[in-house]
Amino acid sequence: EAGVAQSPRYKIIEKRQSVAFWCNPISGHATLYWYQQILGQGPKLLIQFQNNGVVDDSQLPKDRFSAERLKGVDSTLKIQPAKLEDSAVYLCASSLRGREYEQYFGPGTRLTVT
Amino acid sequence: KNQVEQSPQSLIILEGKNCTLQCNYTVSPFSNLRWYKQDTGRGPVSLTIMTFSENTKSNGRYTATLDADTKQSSLHITASQLSDSASYICVVSFHSGAGSYQLTFGKGTKLSVIP
Repeated sequence: EAGVAQSPRYKIIEKRQSVAFWCNPISGHATLYWYQQILGQGPKLLIQFQNNGVVDDSQLPKDRFSAERLKGVDSTLKIQPAKLEDSAVYLCASSLRGREYEQYFGPGTRLTVT
Repeated sequence: KNQVEQSPQSLIILEGKNCTLQCNYTVSPFSNLRWYKQDTGRGPVSLTIMTFSENTKSNGRYTATLDADTKQSSLHITASQLSDSASYICVVSFHSGAGSYQLTFGKGTKLSVIP
């Protein structure tokens, strides 16, 4: 079974630039999550999708972050404009519907904002 | 407020030695507790999961315990290997209604195993 795929793995940008991350969940997983993990911290949920609908985006900084999952499969997370404090690893995870306690994580994208 | 506290923040041990990581939580209503291992530059990978009624769960050299009364869990690593060097994250889930669950993550314990 293929795991959660993410790209790119690494990204370095200057502040005020924009960046986008891509995630392909495990086949058949209806629920998809984006997390932000700052160095030395546990992952923080940014947004949760159920198919192509948003379940929870309460911690997403909506003035600069946006995410979509148009066809209920792949998802993109965008930051525009980036700030220094956005430097972190962005993890994508997926799970079967109703099994949010069993999430499978991708390798993450490490973002450095200079 | 739902919280998960892990200790120690970091730990260095010699190869071959045992160690124990701690996790205290205030998540309610409790559903299950999972320990993840996160290698540097990789996403977390599940090691064990325990429900309310389970006291212990093993996965090779990893043994997790759960005391639901005191809301404490521990992860014991036996005969550590260099490949055990990673961050270990305790995650507690609770039933948030409508057939869904929410997760609360600890900050992790960074383990370094040295030769």
